[in-house]
Amino acid sequence: DSGVTQTPKHLITATGQRVTLRCSPRSGDLSVYWYQQSLDQGLQFLIQYYNGEERAKGNILERFSAQQFPDLHSELNLSSLELGDSALYFCASSARDSNTEAFFGQGTRLTVV
Amino acid sequence: AQSVTQPDIHITVSEGASLELRCNYSYGATPYLFWYVQSPGQGLQLLLKYFSGDTLVQGIKGFEAEFKRSQSSFNLRKPSVHWSDAAEYFCAVGAGTASKLTFGTGTRLQVTL
Repeated sequence: DSGVTQTPKHLITATGQRVTLRCSPRSGDLSVYWYQQSLDQGLQFLIQYYNGEERAKGNILERFSAQQFPDLHSELNLSSLELGDSALYFCASSARDSNTEAFFGQGTRLTVV
Repeated sequence: AQSVTQPDIHITVSEGASLELRCNYSYGATPYLFWYVQSPGQGLQLLLKYFSGDTLVQGIKGFEAEFKRSQSSFNLRKPSVHWSDAAEYFCAVGAGTASKLTFGTGTRLQVTL
């Protein structure tokens, strides 16, 4: 158990809908990262928050957004969902912003039908 | 741009046999290197990391990896594989922050009894 908690574990929704994925980082970790794992793209970094502020952006679509709350949990919002958004979404956390490893949650499996 | 190559998509070994999973990276500076393991339906678990210092690093579950700068490699090894090691293994390179981690495409390990 990495200490990173993601909910829900599975999500099935229809195209055009909006969903919210939630992540609770390890106790004391200030950084939260979101990754997408798909069969064709592999593991790709989406976005990072550090202590409530956006720190880095990767290959995140404009239809996707995230935030980190004062209690340090984070939410990833996916809107206008398309079939191609079906993937495993991971959250990871780390104590610092650099010179540190990240610990991953078990992921949320999103299926868009 | 940084990249990671895991040349073996799928490897099968017998239980008790030794294991070596290959990882080659491309990175412009001193890399931070990681190996993660993903069991079916599970998240990514950090096996070991290399930041600096001793080029032979020990990880969890009896795994070790050796950083060879001249060969741009960070191969993962285990002297005796257990059936529970069957999983997918990912090598990753970064700049010490998980917002810039580049993952390889993974090597799926099958263990025969």
